[in-house]
Amino acid sequence: ETGVTQTPRHLVMGMTNKKSLKCEQHLGHNAMYWYKQSAKKPLELMFVYNFKEQTENNSVPSRFSPECPNSSHLFLHLHTLQPEDSALYLCASSRRLAGGEETQYFGPGTRLLVL
Amino acid sequence: DAKTTQPPSMDCAEGRAANLPCNHSTISGNEYVYWYRQIHSQGPQYIIHGLKNNETNEMASLIITEDRKSSTLILPHATLRDTAVYYCTLRITDNFNKFYFGSGTKLNVKP
Repeated sequence: ETGVTQTPRHLVMGMTNKKSLKCEQHLGHNAMYWYKQSAKKPLELMFVYNFKEQTENNSVPSRFSPECPNSSHLFLHLHTLQPEDSALYLCASSRRLAGGEETQYFGPGTRLLVL
Repeated sequence: DAKTTQPPSMDCAEGRAANLPCNHSTISGNEYVYWYRQIHSQGPQYIIHGLKNNETNEMASLIITEDRKSSTLILPHATLRDTAVYYCTLRITDNFNKFYFGSGTKLNVKP
């Protein structure tokens, strides 16, 4: 257990569905992240929230919509996805420190399959 | 962006030390080196990190060369449960939002 939880752990959805992924951290961190990991590819950073403000959108298509209502919760809203969006979606959190020393802790991920 | 280079795979006998190398020849002076591992279909697990000095914790040791262009993660007594993909990552301080994850090394611990 890393202190970062994600729900659901598995999700199957059609291309016309709308679903949301949820992430919660119990570590008192102030930054949260969404990553995508496709099969046999490195982790791709999608979004970064720092003190609830989005500070990074790594050229992610608009069919992915993040939401960070507070520093402990992070959502990823999904709509009209494509089969190539099937992947493991990982949430992470960290505490921002001066000088660049910052350890990210990851959740278990949501395995998404788009049919 | 500074990047890391790791061998795609390595084998290690159970009970022996596993030494995983990483090259980061373009690392900047204030960038930390982090190591994570990912067991199949789980989230990456933090192992250890360092800046200049060698580091040790209950999981592993990290050896960073004096010029900081490479590092080695050492698992002193590998077990079958250490079979995973190991990522050497850099904390990109010119853009504090980014960690760079490469392709990692698949460590196979064999009985």
